[in-house]
Amino acid sequence: AQTVTQSQPEMSVQEAETVTLSCTYDTSENNYYLFWYKQPPSRQMILVIRQEAYKQQNATENRFSVNFQKAAKSFSLKISDSQLGDTAMYFCAFMRWGTGNQFYFGTGTSLTVIP
Amino acid sequence: DTEVTQTPKHLVMGMTNKKSLKCEQHMGHRAMYWYKQKAKKPPELMFVYSYEKLSINESVPSRFSPECPNSSLLNLHLHALQPEDSALYLCASSHWGANYGYTFGSGTRLTVV
Repeated sequence: AQTVTQSQPEMSVQEAETVTLSCTYDTSENNYYLFWYKQPPSRQMILVIRQEAYKQQNATENRFSVNFQKAAKSFSLKISDSQLGDTAMYFCAFMRWGTGNQFYFGTGTSLTVIP
Repeated sequence: DTEVTQTPKHLVMGMTNKKSLKCEQHMGHRAMYWYKQKAKKPPELMFVYSYEKLSINESVPSRFSPECPNSSLLNLHLHALQPEDSALYLCASSHWGANYGYTFGSGTRLTVV
């Protein structure tokens, strides 16, 4: 079974600063996908960024970037220039390639951006 | 249209009631999902439909009954629920393979009294 661990239940960051959320996972698979989802108080889960395991290059989406370390099974999310709208729960998720779409979610990190 | 629409947004029901949750998408996705989420917890998978057929049922009690009438619509029928079933129910959809992730709806907040 796949497990996804987020070791930081809560974090805070000053507006405009940079913060890194950690995620580790356990799998014996070689082909898989990793995702970060954001869930603000409005409840909707929003895809922030995705990474394909066979790509060594770290994914980047505007202020969001990941540090993907396949050998270490680590997938951290860096948020630069934090904004108040980044306040949310952040979930890391793992999906095996070709398995019928089942996601494995981490326990989440609650991020608060302080003005 | 890049949204998953869920109705109602809030629902309060008694333990003897029958109600339904509705989910709709028009993105051409052929996989649709129901998740249950308790406060400050990750979503828990309940059901997966692929090409309108139930492909995964995560041992969900029979008081939850999913239905996929067509490729755009997913329902969750509720009957004789318990107070512990109170939660946020999230619908999601994706292309088969989900390589690009799910698109989630904003959920139905269900309270069982």
